[in-house]
Amino acid sequence: GEDVEQSLFLSVREGDSSVINCTYTDSSSTYLYWYKQEPGAGLQLLTYIFSNMDMKQDQRLTVLLNKKDKHLSLRIADTQTGDSAIYFCAESTGKLIFGQGTELSVKP
Amino acid sequence: DTGVSQDPRHKITKRGQNVTFRCDPISEHNRLYWYRQTLGQGPEFLTYFQNEAQLEKSRLLSDRFSAERPKGSFSTLEIQRTEQGDSAMYLCASSFMGRDQEAFFGQGTRLTVV
Repeated sequence: GEDVEQSLFLSVREGDSSVINCTYTDSSSTYLYWYKQEPGAGLQLLTYIFSNMDMKQDQRLTVLLNKKDKHLSLRIADTQTGDSAIYFCAESTGKLIFGQGTELSVKP
Repeated sequence: DTGVSQDPRHKITKRGQNVTFRCDPISEHNRLYWYRQTLGQGPEFLTYFQNEAQLEKSRLLSDRFSAERPKGSFSTLEIQRTEQGDSAMYLCASSFMGRDQEAFFGQGTRLTVV
C-alpha cells in the first residue's frame, strides 16, 4: 500500500539545523520529494531524490534516504525565520502520495 | 509560461449546486494531476492524466466528481451536487513524463460549500 508518515510539529531556534523526518511504505517508489507550503500559498518543490541515491545536497538542504528502512529526512542548515512553513514529504509511483506535513516553527 | 494556472482562485457555492474548475498546465507537460487538500492535511490524490487519457482515479473519489482533459492540454474538474464535505482546496499539478520528479503545483482553487 501507499502511506507516508511525518511528525506534525518541529520548533527550532534561528541559526540551528532542522531535521524533518518521514517514513514511507511503497518500496517501488522511484522518487521521493520535499515540498514547502507557506500560509495561503501553493506547494513549492524544494528538492527530490532518486530512489537509488542515499544523499543529495542542495545549498542549505540535505536529503538523506535509507531505502532499507524506508526513511527519508530533510536537514535545513542555518534555519531562518523565513523557513517557517509546512514541509511535506511525498513518494512517487507515477502519482505523488503526500504525508500530513510537518509544521516548522523558527524562533528568533 | 508562468507555471500552472488554476481558475477560479476562490469559489463559494450553495449545497447541491454543480461547480467546475479549470487547470492550465505548463505548456510542454503531458501529465496533469488533481489533488484535494483540507486544513491540516497533506494533499490527497484524486486523479491524473497522461495527455488526454485518464490513467488513474482514486477509489475514494465519489462518482459526483469527474475530470476531463479533452485535448491533452487544460483540464476541468467538475463536482456535481456539492456537499459541505467537498469544501477544500483543489490543487492541480503538471509534469513531463520521464521527468516526473519535477511536478509543479498551481495556487489552487478554494471551494466553500455553504
